[in-house]
Amino acid sequence: QPVLTQPTSLSASPGASARLTCTLRSGINVDSYRIFWYQQKPESPPRYLLSSYSDSGNHQGSGVPSRFSGSTDASSNAGILVISGVQSADEADYYCMIWHNTASVVFGAGTKLTVL
Amino acid sequence: QVYLVQSGAELRKPGASVKVSCKASGYNFTDYSIQWVRQVTGQGLEWMGWMNPNSGNTGSARKFQGRVTITRDTSTDTAYMDLSSLISDDSAMYYCARSRKGSSWWFDYWGQGTLVTVSS
Repeated sequence: QPVLTQPTSLSASPGASARLTCTLRSGINVDSYRIFWYQQKPESPPRYLLSSYSDSGNHQGSGVPSRFSGSTDASSNAGILVISGVQSADEADYYCMIWHNTASVVFGAGTKLTVL
Repeated sequence: QVYLVQSGAELRKPGASVKVSCKASGYNFTDYSIQWVRQVTGQGLEWMGWMNPNSGNTGSARKFQGRVTITRDTSTDTAYMDLSSLISDDSAMYYCARSRKGSSWWFDYWGQGTLVTVSS
């Protein structure tokens, strides 16, 4: 079972909200990890969006609109990225990331967001 | 303005090595770590390793241990990632990124990527 599981794809209509999840493997407690989110558009490097941690809250990346927000959900052991007022420009791949086992980084497999 | 500028595309034969450079500007090079991440075309991001440019200390993902060497030249503010014993599965886009030192920090600036193709 992967450390981080993301849905392969998600679709949203313009103006709607999109909720992307990043589920941590059983035995890895989301309350112990800061969840990082990146956006990647075709032919571009990833862009840091924000990070969420149950104890110390969120950090928004520089220049990232407030339409992008994050949280963690202990009941589902997941990190959550919500994009409010989805725009066509938000169509991209979204990756979650954690620092696992201290000095080791793990990425989720990514969710492709399609704006219909 | 922070920039990470990577070296150009590379073509290597199986069994060879490749060295990708990442030149930093716009900040004090030794104040931040450099991370290396790769991405096979059409697939997800894969973290390879990190380096503290001040101390030269490095760490790498278990998958790459023994094959990846991360170094730096502080006189030119350049980090390097050397991957040896290449196989076709190593064909990917390789990115460097900056993060604060230590763990649990985000990768805030990324290089443009270096495409490495491994083919006979």
